[in-house]
Amino acid sequence: DIVMTQSPLSLPVTPGEPASISCRSSQSLLHFNGFNYLDWYLQKPGQPPQLLISLGSQRASGVPDRFSGSGTGTDFTLKISRVEAEDFGVYYCMQTLQAPPTFGQGTKMEIK
Amino acid sequence: QVQLVESGGGVVQPGRSLRLSCAASGFTFSTYTMQWVRQAPGKGLEWVALISNDGSKEYEADSVKGRFTISRDNFKNTLYLQMSSLRVEDTAVYYCARIMEPGTVVAGTGTLGYWGQGAQVTVSS
Repeated sequence: DIVMTQSPLSLPVTPGEPASISCRSSQSLLHFNGFNYLDWYLQKPGQPPQLLISLGSQRASGVPDRFSGSGTGTDFTLKISRVEAEDFGVYYCMQTLQAPPTFGQGTKMEIK
Repeated sequence: QVQLVESGGGVVQPGRSLRLSCAASGFTFSTYTMQWVRQAPGKGLEWVALISNDGSKEYEADSVKGRFTISRDNFKNTLYLQMSSLRVEDTAVYYCARIMEPGTVVAGTGTLGYWGQGAQVTVSS
């Protein structure tokens, strides 16, 4: 199975400031079709996860452009240009290159 | 709009069985691969199982293989998770989820674009 490792696991952020989360995979997520099979989700308390970014860098419908995903192969980053109050929660990366799909441990972003 | 509504959760003793259902609406159910993901109390997300749009392909996580079975009824627009030989460590919120793209998944397992609100399963004596 592909192991996903996120860092940091805890991220205190002041609203209005930028934030960045790293996700590394134990195997390359780059398919021969040129896409990286890496997705990002945000889970707020008491809610199911919501898709933010798919295939490494494609923002999901309705996701603000302050969110961006980058990286290729085994190293990926989710960046938030200016954190807003609604952005706090737990962020997960997930690889969907091969079964079984696997998640990172989660990064809890909290108000500083 | 896409709606996924889980039901069938509850409290069950170790070793017993339970069947979760996920009623889908707002899209053509038979054209999408569906999946189950769970979350133990205070823990992260754990993928459980997937089934192809036509039900011909299934895949379960090693942690549930041989105990859980994913299935679907495309006439009833419903996804199922039959859970048997339940263990205390199966206690979790179980989410059903739909992938983004319709049809046969030719690469990868699919991005989970839509999620239900979840069903609580508690395994306790």
